[in-house]
Amino acid sequence: EVQLVESGGGLVQPGGSLRLSCAASGFTFSGFWMNWFRQAPGKGLEWVANMKEDGNRYYVDSLKGRFTISRDNAKNSLYLQMNSLRVEDTAVYYCARKAEAAGYFDYWGQGTLVTVSS
Amino acid sequence: EIVMTQSPATLSVSPGERATLSCRASQSVSSKLAWYQQKRGQAPRLLIYGASTRASGIAARFSGSGSGTEFTLTISSLQSEDFAVYYCQQYNDWPPMYTFGQGTKLEIK
Repeated sequence: EVQLVESGGGLVQPGGSLRLSCAASGFTFSGFWMNWFRQAPGKGLEWVANMKEDGNRYYVDSLKGRFTISRDNAKNSLYLQMNSLRVEDTAVYYCARKAEAAGYFDYWGQGTLVTVSS
Repeated sequence: EIVMTQSPATLSVSPGERATLSCRASQSVSSKLAWYQQKRGQAPRLLIYGASTRASGIAARFSGSGSGTEFTLTISSLQSEDFAVYYCQQYNDWPPMYTFGQGTKLEIK
């Protein structure tokens, strides 16, 4: 059974940093693009970043330079380092697996809440 | 960036009736369109990909159609568990810039 479990969310002050983790199991992690999404309270879904097994990575333009996606295939884990956090970064952050053949997302974690507030 | 627009924002339908949700892309995405269902407090769940292919385990009452810029998700006979928010997502862009519609909330009439 495919499972994705996010952790690392919490309360952080504006300007602070946070590192999210996503532990994957039930599939060959190294064979898939992995992604981060976020959803602000009461709002829609936003793709944040993704990373291929070989290290290629892409980001939504608005977050380039502040967020960094990484992965450890040996640990079946995906990470999101978030720096210079702003109030508007407050959201539930989800990791998700991109399907093998195309750019839709077939498995999602339950999400971890990041709250940026003073 | 391809902008996805869903309509209506809220749809009120009675159980057992048909629901039709629309999604429009600002430029052609061919058939590279997915639909997700999200219930309150839960992660999104993939329903449809390739505009019309049901994901594994998805009930036959869910169907998708369309190509290019106009897409439709139809739920043929609404069950109580279908009341949720539905999002469309395009995956035609490269480098990847996956974008979602703003969602349609399907509520009980």
